[in-house]
Amino acid sequence: DADVTQTPRNRITKTGKRIMLECSQTKGHDRMYWYRQDPGLGLRLIYYSFDVKDINKGEISDGYSVSRQAQAKFSLSLESAIPNQTALYFCATSDFPSYTGELFFGEGSRLTVL
Amino acid sequence: ILNVEQSPQSLHVQEGDSTNFTCSFPSSNFYALHWYRWETAKSPEALFVMTLNGDEKKKGRISATLNTKEGYSYLYIKGSQPEDSATYLCAFYTGGFKTIFGAGTRLFVKA
Repeated sequence: DADVTQTPRNRITKTGKRIMLECSQTKGHDRMYWYRQDPGLGLRLIYYSFDVKDINKGEISDGYSVSRQAQAKFSLSLESAIPNQTALYFCATSDFPSYTGELFFGEGSRLTVL
Repeated sequence: ILNVEQSPQSLHVQEGDSTNFTCSFPSSNFYALHWYRWETAKSPEALFVMTLNGDEKKKGRISATLNTKEGYSYLYIKGSQPEDSATYLCAFYTGGFKTIFGAGTRLFVKA
């Protein structure tokens, strides 16, 4: 089984719908991240969490919210989806302390907003 | 603005060809440079994590070098095989939560 698991893997929805993407990990890492990948661009950070009580905005947090339900679970929500949120979303974890910042990724959740 | 540039954007080679990609990154606030291999529908996975200027790392037919003073890293693949077909992501870690990704180099290896 994958160490970082994302559900759903694929989702098609309509403009205005609420969507939740879920991430769970078995690596025992405190740090978790949500990234967005668009063609021709590098991964961009949406939100990150360094522990259950710590949630922080990344560079593109507008239109998104997150919940850290437990050390192992970090969910991303789109309250009212819009077409330009169509993208591939990755959850990732990292260890602490880490001097290298190596990230461990899930397989991605492909979201299409019509 | 911190930026990571990768070139080329894509590359088509024949099986057996050797190839290399470039990643350029800022020469300040350096903690580490990551190379990830990302196959379609799979998780990106770290190939190399490099922290010291002059680092050279090797894994089988794939190797990487690092120059932090001038801000570049090269990834080399010797004798490309079809299973090397993937997107290779370069990422610059500046500490804490901040990792800046390049757009990737997509490699296609034809048998």
